Amino acid sequence: GDSVTQMEGPVTLSEEAFLTINCTYTATGYPSLFWYVQYPGEGLQLLLKATKADDKGSNKGFEATYRKETTSFHLEKGSVQVSDSAVYFCALDNFNKFYFGSGTKLNVKP
Amino acid sequence: NAGVTQTPKFQVLKTGQSMTLQCAQDMNHEYMSWYRQDPGMGLRLIHYSVGAGITDQGEVPNGYNVSRSTTEDFPLRLLSAAPSQTSVYFCASSYSMGGQGYGYTFGSGTRLTVV
Repeated sequence: GDSVTQMEGPVTLSEEAFLTINCTYTATGYPSLFWYVQYPGEGLQLLLKATKADDKGSNKGFEATYRKETTSFHLEKGSVQVSDSAVYFCALDNFNKFYFGSGTKLNVKP
Repeated sequence: NAGVTQTPKFQVLKTGQSMTLQCAQDMNHEYMSWYRQDPGMGLRLIHYSVGAGITDQGEVPNGYNVSRSTTEDFPLRLLSAAPSQTSVYFCASSYSMGGQGYGYTFGSGTRLTVV
């Protein structure tokens, strides 16, 4: 069945460091891919998305490219801030079912 | 403000009690779902609905019931609460599903403790 695998955390970085959170997926057909962010005590918020191969989603300095050949959708940011500290979820949508990864906690230290 | 509203935000139940978690959206979304979030396990789908009058089971449906009598509301019922149902519950909605990239809008969650 369909599934999403993302790197385990926590990931701890210093402010202004480069961020990569790996995400790979298994799916039949052509799913849409998403990154969601969850701040402490809150629900999940859509961060970015891509709906077809080679699409790049971007928002708030974060980027991810839909790579069908490697079934990946890695999240990147060139310079993280303390305010980026949160849990990040990779997800896919494949016709009536939405699958989430287990989440990666990011801690950014000043 | 438009969005997904969940009530209550916090709840403590005794084992064996029943209760209903409320979820309402005002975006005219067809697709609604309930997830539970447990430490280290991400989000797991409990039940979902593709429209009024239509519901289906997700990954972990046991111990939960749902109904969808209107487009706006999708309540989750715990029939006889157990400590294993201690979790954070999220309701989410979407315009539609089908690989079109609409994504979910999430509520702020209900933190449930069963003692």
